[in-house]
Amino acid sequence: AQSVAQPEDQVNVAEGNPLTVKCTYSVSGNPYLFWYVQYPNRGLQFLLKYITGDNLVKGSYGFEAEFNKSQTSFHLKKPSALVSDSALYFCAVRPGHAGNMLTFGGGTRLMVKP
Amino acid sequence: DTAVSQTPKYLVTQMGNDKSIKCEQNLGHDTMYWYKQDSKKFLKIMFSYNNKELIINETVPNRFSPKSPDKAHLNLHINSLELGDSAVYFCASSQDSADNQPQHFGDGTRLSIL
Repeated sequence: AQSVAQPEDQVNVAEGNPLTVKCTYSVSGNPYLFWYVQYPNRGLQFLLKYITGDNLVKGSYGFEAEFNKSQTSFHLKKPSALVSDSALYFCAVRPGHAGNMLTFGGGTRLMVKP
Repeated sequence: DTAVSQTPKYLVTQMGNDKSIKCEQNLGHDTMYWYKQDSKKFLKIMFSYNNKELIINETVPNRFSPKSPDKAHLNLHINSLELGDSAVYFCASSQDSADNQPQHFGDGTRLSIL
């Protein structure tokens, strides 16, 4: 069975500073990895995904994530945080073969302070 | 032009009642999902339908019964509501259950059991 760990319940960062939200995963075979963001009282919104190819993936709103197979990690990054980035971030994984479901991490709350 | 819409947004009811939540997607997707997000924001899949057929049914009490009249709709009916059913329920859709496309989420239905 697959699993996702987001070790930090909350990440605090000052506006303009770089941010990292950590994610590690466990899955059989090659993983499909996703990051989603949830704003208050809203559903999850897709940010980016890794399927294959370049380990550095770029997504929406200036976010990027780096796939590291040896460390089974897929950390989310942004060079310069904005106050409006404050939200709940979810990492998710599914096996690369067909017909299986997405497993989400427990979420990390990102707080960007002015 | 909401892609995945759920109704109602809020549902407050008493223990023992039966209620339904409706979900519609206008993206032309083949697969739809129901997720439950608990008070700690943990997100867990409940059901998945592909072209009106059930493909994932996680360990969910049989008081929960999904119904898909067509591939654009996936409704969730809950019988004999219990206090532990209080949560936010999210509907989502994706192009196909077996591909690498992201899931699109509705804004959730907040169910509160009195």
